[in-house]
Amino acid sequence: NSKVIQTPRYLVKGQGQKAKMRCIPEKGHPVVFWYQQNKNNEFKFLINFQNQEVLQQIDMTEKRFSAECPSNSPCSLEIQSSEAGDSALYLCASSLTGGAGEQYFGPGTRLTVL
Amino acid sequence: QQKVQQSPESLSVPEGGMASFNCTSSDRNFQYFWWYRQHSGEGPKALMSIFSDGDKKEGRFTAHLNKASLHVSLHIRDSQPSDSALYFCAASNTGNYKYVFGAGTRLKVIA
Repeated sequence: NSKVIQTPRYLVKGQGQKAKMRCIPEKGHPVVFWYQQNKNNEFKFLINFQNQEVLQQIDMTEKRFSAECPSNSPCSLEIQSSEAGDSALYLCASSLTGGAGEQYFGPGTRLTVL
Repeated sequence: QQKVQQSPESLSVPEGGMASFNCTSSDRNFQYFWWYRQHSGEGPKALMSIFSDGDKKEGRFTAHLNKASLHVSLHIRDSQPSDSALYFCAASNTGNYKYVFGAGTRLKVIA
């Protein structure tokens, strides 16, 4: 069973508020991914890291989104000023490798922006 | 933009029946394909990978890949109610650390 830990499981914010979620990848997995899964179950890739370095990222929605994976600390994804359209399930996954490697997902953080 | 088209959107099969899912990719560079399953309230979990043309069987699950037609499929035989979930295909290529996911197929196995 996957041991990717995501906290909190549920997050409720008002529009304009900061929203921060955390992820502890599987031990020994150097690659970490963040995805946004919308109400239609569609995945949107946000960013990935290898160790502490960003590998790839989308244009992070007018820079409202930021993410980091510091050494010896949980990875985090933060939305500076939440909007209603940010309401979604945010999934963190980790992998031994990119490309062909299996991704191990956490249970997700369900963000609701009122 | 790289895309993976998945069909059908939803599927109902009787317990013990066969469930089949299909994906077609838009990018001939995709080389690595995975199938993931997501139960309600959980994150996706990998079912199996397929990287070479032909069939790959793991227990009740069989994946098929045809790179020439950019088509990958998954078949579940002897479907069980516990197989009821969302099923996603995911594709990637060499040097690309991220997968492109299909939109998912919702399977309901009726007891």
